[in-house]
Amino acid sequence: QVQLQESGPGLVKPSETLSLTCSVSGASINSYYWSWIRQPPGKGLEWIGYIYYTGNSNYNPSLKSRVTMSVDTSKNQFSLNLSSVTAADTAVYYCAKKYCSSSSCQWIFDFWGQGTLVTVSS
Amino acid sequence: EIVLTQSPATLSLSPGERATLSCRASQSVSSYLAWYQQKPGQAPRLLIYDASNRATGIPARFSGSGSGTDFTLSISSLEPEDFAVYYCQHRSNWPLTFGQGTKLEI
Repeated sequence: QVQLQESGPGLVKPSETLSLTCSVSGASINSYYWSWIRQPPGKGLEWIGYIYYTGNSNYNPSLKSRVTMSVDTSKNQFSLNLSSVTAADTAVYYCAKKYCSSSSCQWIFDFWGQGTLVTVSS
Repeated sequence: EIVLTQSPATLSLSPGERATLSCRASQSVSSYLAWYQQKPGQAPRLLIYDASNRATGIPARFSGSGSGTDFTLSISSLEPEDFAVYYCQHRSNWPLTFGQGTKLEI
């Protein structure tokens, strides 16, 4: 069973960089694509982007100028950096795995972390 | 980007009743639409993919239909554990987007 666990500061000051890590167990980080998705309190879901262990990545245009994702294969982890944060970036941040069946993979998400709330405030 | 509009925003029903939730896309997404269930304090759970295929372990009372721009998630006979928020998501192009959710309440 694949398990994902987000970690990082729960409070970030405005204009600083939000940094989160997702630790993966039950699967090799090299085997799948991985995404970050966020959810402001009481609101809907927003896809942030994806990363592959080769460094191949794709970000939501709404956040592209501020987002960087990376993979650490030695630790079976991947990370999110979001720069120049404002209060609008306050959200629960989820890491998630791209769905793959025995025959194909699709850009939907079958395993998710529990989520971590990041508050942007001075 | 493709905008997904879900309706109604809130659906009030009783256990045993049938639920019908709608998701409309601003342009065709073919059959590349998924549905998720989210309970308070939990991550979303994949229910349906490619409009009508149940994910592993999802009960048969959940079914999906539609193609192009109009999609429906149906729950044939509501169980107490089905009361939650439901989101649709397309994978037709970038960026991936989600609907704003339908809250299914007792």
